[in-house]
Amino acid sequence: NAGVTQTPKFRVLKTGQSMTLLCAQDMNHEYMYWYRQDPGMGLRLIHYSVGEGTTAKGEVPDGYNVSRLKKQNFLLGLESAAPSQTSVYFCASSGRGPNTGELFFGEGSRLTVL
Amino acid sequence: AQSVAQPEDQVNVAEGNPLTVKCTYSVSGNPYLFWYVQYPNRGLQFLLKYITGDNLVKGSYGFEAEFNKSQTSFHLKKPSALVSDSALYFCAVSPPTGTASKLTFGTGTRLQVTL
Repeated sequence: NAGVTQTPKFRVLKTGQSMTLLCAQDMNHEYMYWYRQDPGMGLRLIHYSVGEGTTAKGEVPDGYNVSRLKKQNFLLGLESAAPSQTSVYFCASSGRGPNTGELFFGEGSRLTVL
Repeated sequence: AQSVAQPEDQVNVAEGNPLTVKCTYSVSGNPYLFWYVQYPNRGLQFLLKYITGDNLVKGSYGFEAEFNKSQTSFHLKKPSALVSDSALYFCAVSPPTGTASKLTFGTGTRLQVTL
């Protein structure tokens, strides 16, 4: 009963390095999301996907790319990391049916960019 | 633009006492409202939601929330707090159209329950 799994859980990068965060869900959900959580700012949506092969920009998409090649996976990439991208990243998924807002979250990936 | 305000960064309550975590919102049309809880080093967990119907909605772990349209509020409540309720609580709002991509979260309120 894994739900939403994120890897890695922790990562330290140097400015300019690249990395990919992987999100996997086993609930057959159509929708998947990447958020970042920063102190005093709540959660902000980076990118999201409404189905396999589709992606869309959220509130704070700059500096990130995403891909959804398989329904169960949603990848978040940083091509050239910057200190401003130091944050905790959360992946979430939700089922079909509009407006439920019932998101299932992973446990987070803490990224530090030096 | 829609928004959510959680006016208290932290709420302190003694175990056994009732608790209230406040949330006010601004959105076009009838809102969809949600509460999530985050325990330390964990992801957010869904607690409850208001879509339509009874203004008092009940959720997980004995929590409930009251929707007040005239005051544009959706306060989270529990009759008797437990130490294990200590966590970070987020209110969220979305308009009645679109997917959860339209969900806006508040900045969170830390609930501290002490013996």
